[in-house]
Parts: sequence; structure tokens; C-alpha cells
Amino acid sequence: GENVEQHPSTLSVQEGDSAVIKCTYSDSASNYFPWYKQELGKGPQLIIDIRSNVGEKKDQRIAVTLNKTAKHFSLHITETQPEDSAVYFCAVGGTGGSYIPTFGRGTSLIVHP
Amino acid sequence: GAVVSQHPSRVICKSGTSVKIECRSLDFQATTMFWYRQFPKQSLMLMATSNEGSKATYEQGVEKDKFLINHASLTLSTLTVTSAHPEDSSFYICSARRQGNSPDSPLHFGNGTRLTVT
Repeated sequence: GENVEQHPSTLSVQEGDSAVIKCTYSDSASNYFPWYKQELGKGPQLIIDIRSNVGEKKDQRIAVTLNKTAKHFSLHITETQPEDSAVYFCAVGGTGGSYIPTFGRGTSLIVHP
Repeated sequence: GAVVSQHPSRVICKSGTSVKIECRSLDFQATTMFWYRQFPKQSLMLMATSNEGSKATYEQGVEKDKFLINHASLTLSTLTVTSAHPEDSSFYICSARRQGNSPDSPLHFGNGTRLTVT
């Protein structure tokens, strides 16, 4: 099955700095890569996703980049704000007949004001 | 759009009793819903896949007689924790995918249920 590694597990930055979280995966047939943000006591919310025919996608301060050759993708948050503090999960899905995404272990992002 | 409502958000029950958690897709139909369990500071652990009109598919190690799943309509799935024990205390989260969506489409999550068994 798919194996997803997510790093770092914890990331602490100052407000205004950039944050980068990286995930690697094992199945080269995977073609869907979403990122979820989970605030304390809530369910994960989709913040951005990318499909294998695109190398980069941006939505305001958030961007995701994909390197299919190296089998890794990254979440980039620029100009971080305290409200960006949360746990971020990457996921990998769309593999062949698989319709259940595999999640990374999560990254706790702390943005210090 | 794509709102998933989960109820209750918190529940405390006594050991030996059963608890039902509801998951509703409010503005879309979902042929498939997923139930996850999450321990503190850990990732999402898939418990089972709930299919409308058929039996749920449970992941290895999940007791289907203890965690009863019913998906009676395209907008509602329920998870019943039977004969709850303190070790069942956890955060349970449901998610759904729009009916007809392909595997490369997002899951939409509910806000979770914090279950505490005393």
C-alpha cells in the first residue's frame, strides 16, 4: 500500500515568516495530493490540493508544489499569521482503484506573534 | 458548499452503555462516508468505510460488532459505539465524498465527536 512520510512533525515560526511542510510518498501511480488544516477540537478542512498534471498551485498565501519524479510534494505558507497555527496533514490518493486517501502523520505549526 | 455536520460534538457516557454519532452531508449526496478515530497528537486512523445501502467495510483490527455503522441514506451515516469502555474514549471524525466523484477528489470532514467513557 501507499506509504506517506510527513516532515517536520513540529514547526515553529515567527509571524510574517514562511513555513514549508514536505511529504513524500511511495506509489508512483498516485495522482491526487490534498492538504488539510485541523484546528484544535475540530475536523480537518481542505485548504489546497493538486493533481499530478500540475506542478504548482497557489491560493493567496498558500501554495503546493509537486515533484512526481522524486515523489514528494510540499505546502508553502507565506507571511504566516497566528491564525495559521494548527496541525496540517498531507494526504495521497487516487491510486488506481483506491479511493481512500492515505494521510501523513501531521505537522503542528506554531506561529508566534 | 460541501458541508458535513457531525453530532454530537461532545458526549460523556458511562461504561457499558452505547453511544450513537451521526454524520450528515448537508448540501450534497454521499454514496460513501468514512469514519476515523484520532488519538491525541496523532494522525487520522481509518476505522471503516460506510456505503449507502450496504454493509460497511471495516479496517483490520476494528471490531465491527463494537462499532456499528449504518448508512441508511445518501446523506446520513451513523456510528454506534456499543458497550463502551474507557479505552473507547477518543475523537471520532466522519468524512464524505460527493456522490459520483472520482478518487482524485477531496474528502469533506465533520467537526468530530469527543467521546469520554467514564
